Amino acid sequence: ELKVEQNPLFLSMQEGKNYTIYCNYSTTSDRLYWYRQDPGKSLESLFVLLSNGAVKQEGRLMASLDTKARLSTLHITAAVHDLSATYFCAVDRDDKIIFGKGTRLHILP
Amino acid sequence: DAGVIQSPRHEVTEMGQEVTLRCKPISGHDYLFWYRQTMMRGLELLIYFNNNVPIDDSGMPEDRFSAKMPNASFSTLKIQPSEPRDSAVYFCASSLLWGSDSPLHFGNGTRLTVT
Repeated sequence: ELKVEQNPLFLSMQEGKNYTIYCNYSTTSDRLYWYRQDPGKSLESLFVLLSNGAVKQEGRLMASLDTKARLSTLHITAAVHDLSATYFCAVDRDDKIIFGKGTRLHILP
Repeated sequence: DAGVIQSPRHEVTEMGQEVTLRCKPISGHDYLFWYRQTMMRGLELLIYFNNNVPIDDSGMPEDRFSAKMPNASFSTLKIQPSEPRDSAVYFCASSLLWGSDSPLHFGNGTRLTVT
């Protein structure tokens, strides 16, 4: 059974700092996704990672994938308040897409 | 493109009543997913379809839940009879998965409250 674990589940950090969210999964996968969700809103796609060593960056967010370690990371550089949200990773195995519990990120001014 | 369209946005009903949630996927997408989100359980995959055919419904909590996709542009999730523990936000999402880097595109969700 595919299991997806994120850590930390809650993160409060100061503006300007760097931090990393980790996503571990239990079996081989076809794709890995990162999503953002603001309170009361839907999920917005950030990244889709397909292969080992894949790295994608958008603004202050960078995602990477290590399929051998079954690990993806979402790195936040010089955090700003607008990045406060819940971040989810999701893993696709045989087209079944399972989400982690999410990381609630609160960035303090 | 209008994106994935879900209706209603909010539904309040009494225990025992039938509830039907609706979803229109993005045109051309061949996968459709139903998820349920609660604070306690997070995002749970209920069922997904490929080319209108249900592929995996192992996440459907009980026989009270059923889902259909009669054509490529419409899907329903029905709960009969509804119970207070079914209160959650239900999301529909669609995608082109095979061989692509296309993400899941989510609708705005239906917030269901069962009293």
